Amino acid sequence: IAGITQAPTSQILAAGRRMTLRCTQDMRHNAMYWYRQDLGLGLRLIHYSNTAGTTGKGEVPDGYSVSRANTDDFPLTLASAVPSQTSVYFCASRRDSAIDTQYFGPGTRLTVL
Amino acid sequence: AQKITQTQPGMFVQEKEAVTLDCTYDTSDQSYGLFWYKQPSSGEMIFLIYQGSYDEQNATEGRYSLNFQKARKSANLVISASQLGDSAMYFCAMRERSTGANNLFFGTGTRLTVIP
Repeated sequence: IAGITQAPTSQILAAGRRMTLRCTQDMRHNAMYWYRQDLGLGLRLIHYSNTAGTTGKGEVPDGYSVSRANTDDFPLTLASAVPSQTSVYFCASRRDSAIDTQYFGPGTRLTVL
Repeated sequence: AQKITQTQPGMFVQEKEAVTLDCTYDTSDQSYGLFWYKQPSSGEMIFLIYQGSYDEQNATEGRYSLNFQKARKSANLVISASQLGDSAMYFCAMRERSTGANNLFFGTGTRLTVIP
């Protein structure tokens, strides 16, 4: 079944460690996104990529980096994790159509201690 | 200023009744899109319905309809004939076509509980 996969499903991480959250889509969507979801705040954009080879900063980019080497993969890296990065992380992709619907992966629950 | 406001942190509805979840938005764009997503307790984000700013008719998708009032900048979700499986968090979101990111701005959500 086509869609978006994220790995890991959940992770507990010590502060100061480096961590990469993986996201892969097989829908050949050009645009991909990383959001974080925190209680009471909804989802907020971290980084985005409109097409392979390009990336941009969202609303809360500090402490995170992304790369987009190809269409399918959009990894999110925390260079040195801090407790405030404890959150649920969603990867999403967008098809190119008038409706511009974004489809979401299942999420990664990250706890930084 | 918040781009999307959902003023109902929680709502209760009797099974088989209709319920309206409120959403107001703030934008100066003429072209934008409004979305509703459902997030059940399992955590995934499920797309429900979309309304374009130039669409003259309210969007409908099965039991879901979007009550779009452009002048009031509101995009309320109406769920008819509620089912127990409708219990979930519901998020309203907006995409402004003028932004380079083409991302969604989300509200803080409404938790709907359907009572048997």
